[in-house]
Amino acid sequence: DTAVSQTPKYLVTQMGNDKSIKCEQNLGHDTMYWYKQDSKKFLKIMFSYNNKELIINETVPNRFSPKSPDKAHLNLHINSLELGDSAVYFCASSQGQGFGELFFGEGSRLTVL
Amino acid sequence: SQQGEEDPQALSIQEGENATMNCSYKTSINNLQWYRQNSGRGLVHLILIRSNEREKHSGRLRVTLDTSKKSSSLLITASRAADTASYFCVSSGSARQLTFGSGTQLTVLP
Repeated sequence: DTAVSQTPKYLVTQMGNDKSIKCEQNLGHDTMYWYKQDSKKFLKIMFSYNNKELIINETVPNRFSPKSPDKAHLNLHINSLELGDSAVYFCASSQGQGFGELFFGEGSRLTVL
Repeated sequence: SQQGEEDPQALSIQEGENATMNCSYKTSINNLQWYRQNSGRGLVHLILIRSNEREKHSGRLRVTLDTSKKSSSLLITASRAADTASYFCVSSGSARQLTFGSGTQLTVLP
């Protein structure tokens, strides 16, 4: 059983398109996150939801919109994709709001052509 | 937010040797964690050390924390080829978020 699963694992698309990445966790955690890892492996938090409520929203373009239908799911929708959006996006979850262990998904590599 | 910074950025050692990685952070913390990331995979939690702890062990891992210097170190003893990965320190402060460094790439040569 995969604890944090995200799909798709790979996504190749053209500039200007809209795409979504889905994430689900079966750990019963109440907090979920989206992180972006760039080509230099720097990992930056984008969003965090606690019990479906947005608690962290870092400086991310409005083209990125997270949606949490329930506390086990946190999806990421990206509009009007740009070349600079190419990266690996990681979903993670934790119990509580950010002081404990994070459980990561395997990542979704987005390539914008 | 201010991220932690690992040092060195890359480390290459022979199997059986010890590997030491350092991490510095800038704000006060509740705890500091170390994660490993194998190539093409997600991050995996290794160990957490609380701000009131100075040293912690887990198997071949030893973590130290010096809050006066805002630094931590991760020691992997008797390294194996399977330890080849990127290692990240993560500081957790009052901002209710985990702030990552850019990682140390460890290569263990057989």
